[in-house]
Amino acid sequence: SQQGEEDPQALSIQEGENATMNCSYKTSINNLQWYRQNSGRGLVHLILIRSNEREKHSGRLRVTLDTSKKSSSLLITASRAADTASYFCATDENGNKLVFGAGTILRVKS
Amino acid sequence: DAGITQSPRHKVTETGTPVTLRCHQTENHRYMYWYRQDPGHGLRLIHYSYGVKDTDKGEVSDGYSVSRSKTEDFLLTLESATSSQTSVYFCAISDQPQETQYFGPGTRLLVL
Repeated sequence: SQQGEEDPQALSIQEGENATMNCSYKTSINNLQWYRQNSGRGLVHLILIRSNEREKHSGRLRVTLDTSKKSSSLLITASRAADTASYFCATDENGNKLVFGAGTILRVKS
Repeated sequence: DAGITQSPRHKVTETGTPVTLRCHQTENHRYMYWYRQDPGHGLRLIHYSYGVKDTDKGEVSDGYSVSRSKTEDFLLTLESATSSQTSVYFCAISDQPQETQYFGPGTRLLVL
């Protein structure tokens, strides 16, 4: 079963624009993470936000978490062609596991 | 990248043959995970380990077994490969459960 579900499935924007991806989940969580995957590569951790946090920043990334709506968003500001990748949210379940969503494919056109 | 390697990186095999994939880490992380990635499914957990000789099943464990005899190595075995096991397999490690995971480069497996 997939805990996190990303939306949209695919997003195409021009370089310099902002990109927003959303993640919804079903059960209570301790934290939510976002990962990036470049084509043909492994996932790379971007940011972790805990359930008692509402917003977190890392460089051009801004993540919000709304536990009442069971949703999170990832905002990439001033996007670059190098941001072209798939983005996944992952939520924790009871035990020692993360559950990943199906991902959002972001294409940034130069 | 965290010190994680996977071998082989690519493999073609035939239906019914056993296949073993290796994940090796140099980070001394306690937790190790095997995932498979298929279009439209994201990453799905196959098995994970929370210590030497301590393993547990994930979401899609049927047809797979694992072993961890050393902290640094986590082996995934397809006991009798089937075409449905054609996929990209990723190993990941973490120092704490449910915290940041660090991924290997992946193994592309094609079962004919």
